[in-house]
Amino acid sequence: NAGVTQTPKFQVLKTGQSMTLQCAQDMNHNSMYWYRQDPGMGLRLIYYSASEGTTDKGEVPNGYNVSRLNKREFSLRLESAAPSQTSVYFCASSPGTSGRNEQFFGPGTRLTVL
Amino acid sequence: SQQGEEDPQALSIQEGENATMNCSYKTSINNLQWYRQNSGRGLVHLILIRSNEREKHSGRLRVTLDTSKKSSSLLITASRAADTASYFCATPSRAYNNDMRFGAGTRLTVKP
Repeated sequence: NAGVTQTPKFQVLKTGQSMTLQCAQDMNHNSMYWYRQDPGMGLRLIYYSASEGTTDKGEVPNGYNVSRLNKREFSLRLESAAPSQTSVYFCASSPGTSGRNEQFFGPGTRLTVL
Repeated sequence: SQQGEEDPQALSIQEGENATMNCSYKTSINNLQWYRQNSGRGLVHLILIRSNEREKHSGRLRVTLDTSKKSSSLLITASRAADTASYFCATPSRAYNNDMRFGAGTRLTVKP
């Protein structure tokens, strides 16, 4: 099993450009998450999807949109990138609610917005 | 806003020594989780301790939870160079929900 995979690994954007970060899991997990990690701040939840067909905002959703394409895939879209969105983005999944279960993390996408 | 805060921010020890990291949080919780992150990698779950548990062990890891003080500690015994990583505590922002809040982490360096 590959676990949680993310593409791309690295990306450089100019301000105002758009892009979609892809995430897939092969563990048949119900819940999926998108986090961003900035230096010295730990991880902050952007959006999550408790089950296929549902999405909810996390702590820092502004400037992002998500799509739970199916049970395996959960994508994060930046419609108009800003320098403040320079960060490392992690996707995660869990069998059920993350408050009850461990989360499995992908390797991350390093995004730089110039 | 962060829920858990780890202390110290950085810790450097020799191989074979024990490493203790602390986590304090602000609101009532049902459980607390610890994760490890090697440089440039994703987080890996270490242990989950529930609010009705005071101590939990997993291999060389020992986690304690004191709900009256709103704090937890992670002890790594007989540390190895491979334990060099950042360690994070995480708590649900509300009871058993999907919004986990992570602290800023403790950066542990184990010197061979």
